[in-house]
Amino acid sequence: EVQLVESGGGLVQPGRSLKLSCAASGFTFSNYYMAWVRQAPKKGLEWVATISTSGSRTYYPDSVKGRFTISRDNAKSSLYLQMNSLKSEDTATYYCARDDGYEGWFAYWGQGTLVTVSS
Amino acid sequence: DIQMTQSPSFLSASVGDRVTINCKASQNINKYLDWYQQKLGEAPKLLIYNTNSLHTGIPSRFSGSGSGTDFTLTISSLQPEDVATYFCLQHNSGWTFGGGTKLELK
Repeated sequence: EVQLVESGGGLVQPGRSLKLSCAASGFTFSNYYMAWVRQAPKKGLEWVATISTSGSRTYYPDSVKGRFTISRDNAKSSLYLQMNSLKSEDTATYYCARDDGYEGWFAYWGQGTLVTVSS
Repeated sequence: DIQMTQSPSFLSASVGDRVTINCKASQNINKYLDWYQQKLGEAPKLLIYNTNSLHTGIPSRFSGSGSGTDFTLTISSLQPEDVATYFCLQHNSGWTFGGGTKLELK
């Protein structure tokens, strides 16, 4: 069974940093692109980052480019999101997702971890 | 950037009704359009990928159609467990979600 478990969320002040983790199990992690998607409270979904199988290619929307960094450790079956210079508008539940189409669809999702940016 | 316009934003229907939700892309996205279901308090779940391919374990009452810029999710016979918010996602160029459709029972 595919499992994705996020951790690392919490309350952080504007301008500070936070690193999220996602532990994967139930599949060969190194064979899949992975992504982060967020959802602000009572709002829609927003794609945040995607990483290739080896980690050599990464993709970001303009809203987080230069502030967020996605990375992975295939030996540990783990995905990460380093978030710097956090803003109040980054407040959201962050989901880890498995990309099943090599820059394709998000077939499996974790349960999410809540990040609150507030002073 | 590709924009996705989803309609309607809210939908009320009865058990057994045929329900359709639409998504329009600001430019051609070929077949690269997916549909997700999100129940209250839960993570999103993939229903359909690449316009009309049903994800593993998804009931056959869900189907997708379209091409280019206009796409549709159809629920052939609405069930109580289908109450949820539905999102479309394009992955032809980057990834962009539609704004969502909240489906309620009448």
